[in-house]
Amino acid sequence: NAGVTQTPKFQVLKTGQSMTLQCAQDMNHEYMSWYRQDPGMGLRLIHYSVGAGITDQGEVPNGYNVSRSTTEDFPLRLLSAAPSQTSVYFCASSLNSYEQYFGPGTRLTVT
Amino acid sequence: AQRVTQPEKLLSVFKGAPVELKCNYSYSGSPELFWYVQYSRQRLQLLLRHISRESIKGFTADLNKGETSFHLKKPFAQEEDSAMYYCALSPYLSNNAGNMLTFGGGTRLMVKP
Repeated sequence: NAGVTQTPKFQVLKTGQSMTLQCAQDMNHEYMSWYRQDPGMGLRLIHYSVGAGITDQGEVPNGYNVSRSTTEDFPLRLLSAAPSQTSVYFCASSLNSYEQYFGPGTRLTVT
Repeated sequence: AQRVTQPEKLLSVFKGAPVELKCNYSYSGSPELFWYVQYSRQRLQLLLRHISRESIKGFTADLNKGETSFHLKKPFAQEEDSAMYYCALSPYLSNNAGNMLTFGGGTRLMVKP
């Protein structure tokens, strides 16, 4: 099993550009989440999904969209990138067991 | 809303010394508490959770509901314990509890030889 995979590993965007961060898992987990990691602030939940077709907002959802058309994939879309979205983004999945499995992260810089 | 506070951004100890990483939380219900660890160049991974009451890699953590704390302890630190440690809380919701983690700001533990 590859576990949770994320692409790309690194990305530089200009303000106003849009892009999609990809996340996939091959563990048949129902629950998937997106977090952003900023120094001194830990990880903050952006959006999450409890199954295909169901998504909900987390703590910091503004500026981000998600969809969950399949169990495996949970892409995160930045509609119009801003410098405040410079961060490291982590995708995670879980099987209702309280343990979340994290991807390797995507380091995003918005100039 | 729940909140998790880790008061120390950096904790530096010598090998063999005891370690205590502090975690305080605020939540009106019955939370589930976790410690996650991120070693250099590795993914964030679960270290332990309070409901299992286990000792992992020599670490233990006791949930103190009176003090709303979940401090992580190890009697003798090893160099390989150097990492970033995050305390996390999940509200007890039977339908999706594993999906809504609130993290503290993290503590970087450095174990010196």
